[in-house]
Amino acid sequence: QQQVKQSPQSLIVQKGGISIINCAYENTAFDYFPWYQQFPGKGPALLIAIRPDVSEKKEGRFTISFNKSAKQFSLHIMDSQPGDSATYFCAGEHTGNQFYFGTGTSLTVIP
Amino acid sequence: DTAVSQTPKYLVTQMGNDKSIKCEQNLGHDTMYWYKQDSKKFLKIMFSYNNKELIINETVPNRFSPKSPDKAHLNLHINSLELGDSAVYFCASSQAGQALTFGSGTRLTVV
Repeated sequence: QQQVKQSPQSLIVQKGGISIINCAYENTAFDYFPWYQQFPGKGPALLIAIRPDVSEKKEGRFTISFNKSAKQFSLHIMDSQPGDSATYFCAGEHTGNQFYFGTGTSLTVIP
Repeated sequence: DTAVSQTPKYLVTQMGNDKSIKCEQNLGHDTMYWYKQDSKKFLKIMFSYNNKELIINETVPNRFSPKSPDKAHLNLHINSLELGDSAVYFCASSQAGQALTFGSGTRLTVV
């Protein structure tokens, strides 16, 4: 079954706007939540990650908001740029290095 | 200084053939993985090895056989290739509690 649900499937944002991608999980054993960015023809690369003991993590224009009680987390991209156009994956991981990925969001930032 | 390298990058082959994909990591990670990414971009775990021992073996046809000669290498051998095996295959590695590092992928096309 899909342990991590991700939405939307695709997203179009104007340059300078805010991109928001949402994920929800069921497995309360998850203790690490990374986000990956994938450009065409490349492998996914770690963008930012959070552990469930904090509610927010910010790195530059990228912020993860985490709601443990709702079992939801989201990625916010501020001041979105055309170079941010890529596919984004959320994931949950629990002990044993088992990673479960969301279905991906294709982001297009229009100049 | 590629962290996770896999070869070949492209593989075009006929149905029924046997092929191998090689992966090596120089990060000193204990765990290595094979993921399959289909045309809809979904990342599906196939296998995971920890220190040369198989720890995850998802529902994958037994035509797929991983081999890990040492903890820095994880190869994937596929017998009797089928059209449905066409996909991008990613090797990845991780250390306990840390994010996955992916290779750049092998695009397999079965004709």
